Amino acid sequence: DAGVIQSPRHEVTEMGQEVTLRCKPISGHNSLFWYRQTMMRGLELLIYFNNNVPIDDSGMPEDRFSAKMPNASFSTLKIQPSEPRDSAVYFCASRSGQGGNEQFFGPGTRLTVL
Amino acid sequence: AQSVTQPDIHITVSEGASLELRCNYSYGATPYLFWYVQSPGQGLQLLLKYFSGDTLVQGIKGFEAEFKRSQSSFNLRKPSVHWSDAAEYFCAVGASYSNYQLIWGAGTKLIIKP
Repeated sequence: DAGVIQSPRHEVTEMGQEVTLRCKPISGHNSLFWYRQTMMRGLELLIYFNNNVPIDDSGMPEDRFSAKMPNASFSTLKIQPSEPRDSAVYFCASRSGQGGNEQFFGPGTRLTVL
Repeated sequence: AQSVTQPDIHITVSEGASLELRCNYSYGATPYLFWYVQSPGQGLQLLLKYFSGDTLVQGIKGFEAEFKRSQSSFNLRKPSVHWSDAAEYFCAVGASYSNYQLIWGAGTKLIIKP
């Protein structure tokens, strides 16, 4: 299994530009999580999908952030417009079934907004 | 509210010495408990997890953790650390009423002295 795949691995953009991060979960997993990691705030859950449906988006910082999961094998996290304070590492994780199964993390996308 | 506390931001240990990383949680019922490891520039990898049963849990890479309900703790241990264990370690708690979305500790960075 290829594991959780994220692209791009690194993204450098200028303030005001649109940024789209992509995630392919592990095949057969029905839950998907987007996290943001910074030195100041640690690991924060942004949004959680179950069976492609957003269940909890209370962690999405503001309207500039949006996430979609059009099918079981693909999700995007979009920031529009981007700001320097959005610079962080963004992780996608997936999980199978219900309950307390482990989350499998992707390698992350390091975003730098200049 | 649920919370996870990792009281040590950094820990420095000599190679070959034993290790214990502390994790305390606040949760009303028996939680699902996890330890993850993050190597520099990498995503998070599960070391071990506790759901029920034997309170001493064995994980990968020679790590183990013990669930102590009376102390609300789930400390991670390793009898002899290797330089490759240098990484950041995260404790997490899953809550059944939120479909086991994980609440994360702030992480402990392990530094290995040669």
